[in-house]
Amino acid sequence: EIVLTQSPGTLSLSPGERATLSCRASQSVSSSYLAWYQQKPGQAPRLLIYGASTRATGIPDRFSGSGSGTDFTLTISRLEPEDFAVYYCQQYGTSPPKYTFGQGTKLEIK
Amino acid sequence: EVQLVESGGGLVNPGGSLRLSCAASGFTFNNAWMTWVRQAPGKGLEWVGRIKSKADGGTTDYAALVKARFTVSRDDSKNTLYLQMNSLKTEDTAVYYCTTGAILDFWGQGTLVTVSS
Repeated sequence: EIVLTQSPGTLSLSPGERATLSCRASQSVSSSYLAWYQQKPGQAPRLLIYGASTRATGIPDRFSGSGSGTDFTLTISRLEPEDFAVYYCQQYGTSPPKYTFGQGTKLEIK
Repeated sequence: EVQLVESGGGLVNPGGSLRLSCAASGFTFNNAWMTWVRQAPGKGLEWVGRIKSKADGGTTDYAALVKARFTVSRDDSKNTLYLQMNSLKTEDTAVYYCTTGAILDFWGQGTLVTVSS
């Protein structure tokens, strides 16, 4: 069973700074099935990135995803106040079919 | 505009049953794979189960923790997704979200299920 480990657990940054969030898989995953979500308090998650690097509809281009194999990264180039939230990576496995989420990275205002 | 509205949550005793519904609009429901994801209070996201479109076989898959207790179904004539939950345990307490597609691209606002005596 694939385990996704996100780091750091909490990231404290200021608006305007660059954020780099990591997601490491316990074994190689297909880039096609790696996604990132943003969740703000009291709200449902929102899809940001799918296929490891493709932005979902309406997602600003300051969000970018990269990586392959076991190491994936979500980068936010210049933080806006509305970007402070919890971020989850997620992969979809086909054998057996299941979705696995990382434990999340909380991005907080410094 | 895609809309997903969950309902049916509430307080239930351990060992009890509950059926959640998710009313969908703004997209072609019968073509969509639909998924349930839950989130325990203060915790992360956990996949519950998924149902494919009938065109893709209509098959279901479940997380190991809920298999044999939970059943995902759909009524394409009503554009509605269901989650039948039986033999509920305290650890099933969570907000339950319905989501669309193989990449979970749209989410409802969630419905809270509390399992407690």
